[in-house]
Amino acid sequence: QSVLTQPPSVSGAPGQRVTISCTGSSSNIGARYDVYWYQHLPGTAPKLLIYVNTNRPSGVPDRFSGSKSGTSASLVITGLQAEDEADYYCQSYDSSLSEWVFGGGTKLTVL
Amino acid sequence: EVQLVESGGGLVQPGGSLRLSCTASGFTFSSYAMSWVRQAPGKGLEWVSGISGGGGATYYADSVRGRFTISRDNSKTTLYLQMSSLRAEDTAVYYCAKDIPRFDYWGQGTLVTVSS
Repeated sequence: QSVLTQPPSVSGAPGQRVTISCTGSSSNIGARYDVYWYQHLPGTAPKLLIYVNTNRPSGVPDRFSGSKSGTSASLVITGLQAEDEADYYCQSYDSSLSEWVFGGGTKLTVL
Repeated sequence: EVQLVESGGGLVQPGGSLRLSCTASGFTFSSYAMSWVRQAPGKGLEWVSGISGGGGATYYADSVRGRFTISRDNSKTTLYLQMSSLRAEDTAVYYCAKDIPRFDYWGQGTLVTVSS
């Protein structure tokens, strides 16, 4: 069981907006550790989407955005495209475990 | 272009050992911390171990501490993971990832199967 909680699945139609939540606690996100988001298609290398809560690496479309508040973070994807169908993971550091931790992952289905 | 290529995976019996390698190119290897992250079948990503750029500091998940050893050879731009006392629950695709805590580049992964 992950210390960062994500919904197992979300879905949306092409062009719509979806939000993926990542809920932590006072020992990770709430302790002001930064949040990172990754996109993972099975059989491929995971891809960094968002770093330090809100920043996009070069090459990541501005349809992807991140935010953080209190003990939670969110990834928002606007203008959904078929190619966005993948698994998405949040990641942070947990001071109680002294480990970098991932959320359980969220499968995005584009209807 | 950053490239990370893992190798060394395979089938091993419970209690056995295996050494994974990750050959890096396209960046100044010694300047960056590196990590191993795994994904068990049907499960999510799990951080396993990390090492500083110079190799002087190492970090482990509780699930592997005492059984796995991370190391690096900066002259060969290669990261290693020595795995011993392997268990069925260590079965996973193992990825190497550049930098900590921002895993900004990942390899394609190598599959480790622990089974008799």
